[in-house]
Amino acid sequence: NAGVTQTPKFRVLKTGQSMTLLCAQDMNHEYMYWYRQDPGMGLRLIHYSVGEGTTAKGEVPDGYNVSRLKKQNFLLGLESAAPSQTSVYFCASSYPGQGGYGYTFGSGTRLTVV
Amino acid sequence: AQTVTQSQPEMSVQEAETVTLSCTYDTSESNYYLFWYKQPPSRQMILVIRQEAYKQQNATENRFSVNFQKAAKSFSLKISDSQLGDTAMYFCAFMKWGNNDMRFGAGTRLTVKP
Repeated sequence: NAGVTQTPKFRVLKTGQSMTLLCAQDMNHEYMYWYRQDPGMGLRLIHYSVGEGTTAKGEVPDGYNVSRLKKQNFLLGLESAAPSQTSVYFCASSYPGQGGYGYTFGSGTRLTVV
Repeated sequence: AQTVTQSQPEMSVQEAETVTLSCTYDTSESNYYLFWYKQPPSRQMILVIRQEAYKQQNATENRFSVNFQKAAKSFSLKISDSQLGDTAMYFCAFMKWGNNDMRFGAGTRLTVKP
């Protein structure tokens, strides 16, 4: 019963480097989300997907790209990392129309950009 | 856009006592969901309790209960018989009915003292 798995759990990047965060879920959830968590700001939605092959912008999408080529995977990419992207990133998933029951979250990725 | 405000950045309580965490939100919607999530030092986001706005009865889950005041747009969390394991960051969250964009407050760090 893995639920939502995020890899890696920790990463340090240099400014300008690129990387991809992987989110995988085994619950057959249609909807998936990427959030970032910063001190004093709670969690903010970056991008989300309502199904395979679809993506949409959330509250803070700038500097990030996403892809949902397979239903179970949702990738978050940083093309040119900046120190402002230092954060903890969370992936979450839910069934369509059942977000009211809450999301299932991964355990997060702590990213530091130096 | 919906906003969620948690006015208490930090709180502490003695073990076995009761504590109440505050949350207010701003919305023009009539149908929505409200949530409290717990984030212990492990970083995992754990759903504590949820409330559907159309239900007048306050939700209860064991030692956790809410005081939902729809007119006042208030959604406080009461933790009874506090335990050391309740030490965590607590996030209040809002989601419109039929929408999957969950919005979070900045969080309240709760410390339970022995």
